[in-house]
Amino acid sequence: DAKTTQPTSMDCAEGRAANLPCNHSTISGNEYVYWYRQIHSQGPQYIIHGLKNNETNEMASLIITEDRKSSTLILPHATLRDTAVYYCIAYNTDKLIFGTGTRLQVFP
Amino acid sequence: KAGVTQTPRYLIKTRGQQVTLSCSPISGHRSVSWYQQTPGQGLQFLFEYFSETQRNKGNFPGRFSGRQFSNSRSEMNVSTLELGDSALYLCASRNLGPGKNYGYTFGSGTRLTVV
Repeated sequence: DAKTTQPTSMDCAEGRAANLPCNHSTISGNEYVYWYRQIHSQGPQYIIHGLKNNETNEMASLIITEDRKSSTLILPHATLRDTAVYYCIAYNTDKLIFGTGTRLQVFP
Repeated sequence: KAGVTQTPRYLIKTRGQQVTLSCSPISGHRSVSWYQQTPGQGLQFLFEYFSETQRNKGNFPGRFSGRQFSNSRSEMNVSTLELGDSALYLCASRNLGPGKNYGYTFGSGTRLTVV
């Protein structure tokens, strides 16, 4: 599985868009980019995933660069409840390999 | 639709004891994976079961074992507990099969404390 690199922490003002970057320069052609988040002491929650095209659902948008070496998760209007650790994972096999993730702090 | 259910939510055990944790997957999900989460090591994959067979295993000692029943419920067992086994143990299920490979749904975890 490809290794992903994310910033350790980020801050975002409530109501603003939160843009969380992820580098996956060694991703292979059949590996998907998955995003999960974990709110303190709960199980990780699936957010979104994509292969090549940009994706959007009710929670977030995922922008994947054309060369697939990086992606950005966008929370369009961050709320305090979005404070969590966000994990970007390159996945095509039998297990999710979690990195250290980005700790997003949304402030009032 | 019920989510992934893990029991118990909290557990305190003594060094040297053994423990069994339980996981009931989402109805229809036949794949169950287990993860260990500690402050030092983060989230680490333990193993995955599908149709009662272990199909993948992480880098953990043999003290960690698991099994899956015909109804897809899974248990994991840790024998000869060590202080370092204190962690949040997470179970995840997914709908895996021909033409299906969807994302994992995680339970809330079992917090194990070894004293």
